[in-house]
Amino acid sequence: AQKVTQAQTEISVVEKEDVTLDCVYETRDTTYYLFWYKQPPSGELVFLIRRNSFDEQNEISGRYSWNFQKSTSSFNFTITASQVVDSAVYFCAPRPGGSHNNDMRFGAGTRLTVKP
Amino acid sequence: DAGVTQSPTHLIKTRGQQVTLRCSPISGHKSVSWYQQVLGQGPQFIFQYYEKEERGRGNFPDRFSARQFPNYSSELNVNALLLGDSALYLCASSLYVGLAGASNTGELFFGEGSRLTVL
Repeated sequence: AQKVTQAQTEISVVEKEDVTLDCVYETRDTTYYLFWYKQPPSGELVFLIRRNSFDEQNEISGRYSWNFQKSTSSFNFTITASQVVDSAVYFCAPRPGGSHNNDMRFGAGTRLTVKP
Repeated sequence: DAGVTQSPTHLIKTRGQQVTLRCSPISGHKSVSWYQQVLGQGPQFIFQYYEKEERGRGNFPDRFSARQFPNYSSELNVNALLLGDSALYLCASSLYVGLAGASNTGELFFGEGSRLTVL
């Protein structure tokens, strides 16, 4: 069975602080894909990044960076120099490697509040 | 270009009633997926349709059904509504049905949802 855990329910930071969102995905699958989505107050989910389980290279894209460690099943997402517009609920969403459909297993989400 | 559009945006029903939610995907997208998001939780997969055929079904009772039309729009129907069906129903469209294809990021494009309240 697969299990996705976002242990941080809510995080509050002051603008310009860095913030890291944690996600742990426990699975016996050797191949899987990990997505991060952002849900602003308007409701629609916005795709941020996708990582493959067979690629542990960490990357940076603008203010976003992600750290994937397969040995600990952790897939953490960092926002540097946070802005008020980053306030949203962030979801980690794994997808099984053998999936032939869009069945994504969203975590419970982390609500990020960035204060001015 | 228009994004994923859903209607209605809000609706209130009573227990036992039936509801139909509608979704129009991004132009050119042939896959539509439905998710249920209960307050305070992450979305849960209900259905996926691709080229008018069901390609995936989540762990939901038979009261939930869906279909996709020749223009790739979709409807989600829920019969015999229960209080626990109160949720935000999200529709997502994508070009592809899974993750195949070198240029396929697997990104789903979501609408703003239909918020259903069952009294």
